Amino acid sequence: GQQVQQSPTSLVLQEGENAELQCNFSTSLNSMQWFYQRPGGSLVSVFYNPSGTKQSGRLTSTTVIKERRSSLHISSSQITDSGTYLCAMGHNAGAKLTFGGGTRLTVRP
Amino acid sequence: ETAVFQTPNYHVTQVGNEVSFNCKQTLGHDTMYWYKQDSKKLLKIMFSYNNKQLIVNETVPRRFSPQSSDKAHLNLRIKSVEPEDSAVYLCASSLLGSAETLYFGSGTRLTVL
Repeated sequence: GQQVQQSPTSLVLQEGENAELQCNFSTSLNSMQWFYQRPGGSLVSVFYNPSGTKQSGRLTSTTVIKERRSSLHISSSQITDSGTYLCAMGHNAGAKLTFGGGTRLTVRP
Repeated sequence: ETAVFQTPNYHVTQVGNEVSFNCKQTLGHDTMYWYKQDSKKLLKIMFSYNNKQLIVNETVPRRFSPQSSDKAHLNLRIKSVEPEDSAVYLCASSLLGSAETLYFGSGTRLTVL
């Protein structure tokens, strides 16, 4: 089965609403990252967050290693937040990152 | 600011042809990667190179081969493309090669007819 599960797979919000994206891992990890991909665009790293909580503007990421999960919170969503959010976990065995299937976020005016 | 450059952006070809994708990074990173992103947006690692040495080689078909002239360049060659090779191929780099931030290129979308 897939080692990295993301939920929800898609999410539609009205502008100004908050979003909570979840990422669950089936194996132990030593790192995790959140990426953002605009439709037709490249991946951009949003957070490198192996543990704890990090905040950047309206985005907050919380990773709980023991519970093998990470969340990405988007507050006061904007239309420009629309796109796909991917989480990825890293293993001890070198350079491999395993990605989740992504959450497709649509923010409507 | 773009620092991982991929060419071409798109490529359409016939089954059985050979294709080659280029990737260059200007970040001075030691490790580069090729990922394949399928139609469901799932990303899977194909190869990674650290200072011209292959350090991860997932079980991809043998028709795929990475080619690196130096640590700033990592190309991907597909000898005889198959329909299932249609996907977006993403190149990435990182400073040390494990567990830190990846920087991705914009991807090459391959369509095999």
